[in-house]
Amino acid sequence: EVQLVESGGGLVQPGGSLRLSCAASGFTFSNYWMTWARQAPGKGLEWVANVKKDGSDKFYVDSVKGRFTISRDNAKNSVFLQLNSLRDEDTAVYYCARGEGGYGDTPRYWGQGTLVTVSS
Amino acid sequence: DIQMTQSPSTLSASVGDRVIITCRASQNINNWLAWYQQKPGKAPNLLIYKASSLESGVPSRFSGSGSGTEFTLTISNLQPDDFATYYCQQYSSYSRFTFGPGTTVDF
Repeated sequence: EVQLVESGGGLVQPGGSLRLSCAASGFTFSNYWMTWARQAPGKGLEWVANVKKDGSDKFYVDSVKGRFTISRDNAKNSVFLQLNSLRDEDTAVYYCARGEGGYGDTPRYWGQGTLVTVSS
Repeated sequence: DIQMTQSPSTLSASVGDRVIITCRASQNINNWLAWYQQKPGKAPNLLIYKASSLESGVPSRFSGSGSGTEFTLTISNLQPDDFATYYCQQYSSYSRFTFGPGTTVDF
């Protein structure tokens, strides 16, 4: 059974940093693209970042470029999102998701999410 | 960047209705479109991929169609479990995804 479990969310002041983690199990982690997406309270879904299977390529939504960094550790079956220079508008539930190669890498499996609150 | 729009933003329906949600892309995305269902407090659930392929385990009352820039999600014979928010998502732009703003189906 595919499982994705996010952790690392919490309350942080504007300008602060957080590191989100996503532990994967139930599949060969290194065979799949991984995605982070977010959802602000009462708002829609927003794609945040993708990382290639071997971590060599990374892609970001414009609003987080230069502030967020996606990475992965295939030996530990984990994907990470480093959040720096946080702003009020980064407050959201952050989801990690696994792409499906046969589907064109669109996210197929999702974690339950971790809440990041940016507030003074 | 590719922009996605959905209509309507809210849809009032009843059990047994046929519901159609439209999604438009700002440029040609071929058939690289997915549909997700989301219920409050829960993660999104993949319904349709490659515009018209039904995800395993999803009831056949859900169907997708379209290509290029215009797509539809149809729910035939709406069931109580189907009242939720639906998002389209393009994944044509190399490794950069975009979600639509969502359509809420309620009573």
